[in-house]
Amino acid sequence: SAVISQKPSRDICQRGTSLTIQCQVDSQVTMMFWYRQQPGQSLTLIATANQGSEATYESGFVIDKFPISRPNLTFSTLTVSNMSPEDSSIYLCSVARTVGNEQYFGPGTRLTVT
Amino acid sequence: GQQLNQSPQSMFIQEGEDVSMNCTSSSIFNTWLWYKQEPGEGPVLLIALYKAGELTSNGRLTAQFGITRKDSFLNISASIPSDVGIYFCAGQLGETSGSRLTFGEGTQLTVNP
Repeated sequence: SAVISQKPSRDICQRGTSLTIQCQVDSQVTMMFWYRQQPGQSLTLIATANQGSEATYESGFVIDKFPISRPNLTFSTLTVSNMSPEDSSIYLCSVARTVGNEQYFGPGTRLTVT
Repeated sequence: GQQLNQSPQSMFIQEGEDVSMNCTSSSIFNTWLWYKQEPGEGPVLLIALYKAGELTSNGRLTAQFGITRKDSFLNISASIPSDVGIYFCAGQLGETSGSRLTFGEGTQLTVNP
């Protein structure tokens, strides 16, 4: 497994603003992912964070709304842009050592948009 | 896209009872994973299954990868209060899909002491 931390752990933001969430892993990993978990719901994959190149977004998610960076093999950021109350969710990063390996999740960032 | 049907949606049991939950899919997966999520935490990996028919245990937890590769179940024996949480199944196609996980809707487990 891997030790994964996320910052911030929670935040309350006003609509129209943006929030950047950080994900840090204690060792190098090949794969990093970002998920959204809406209140009382399951997890939905937002995108795969690719090191040194643009993220790969899932259907329904776009780069303008959720820009992602991954400068190296241990760190990634997700920005939630121009927030609305519908963006209130838990945002989780996950990692896998190599392609096809099991994924481990960070503790999540609880975002409330007012 | 692929969908996972997880059941039951919730369970209320007495301490000491055994629990069973399952996931079915309309398409095959190469890997099945079971996670547990407690309030305020991220999902924690419980068991990973890699081969059709595989039966794997982790303490009081047992999970199986269905022969058809379209289903999996998780059993918890002799439940205890700390088993409370939401259990998620997840299917993964593997390298060709970029390791994407598809999650079930979760089973909320409540254990009464």
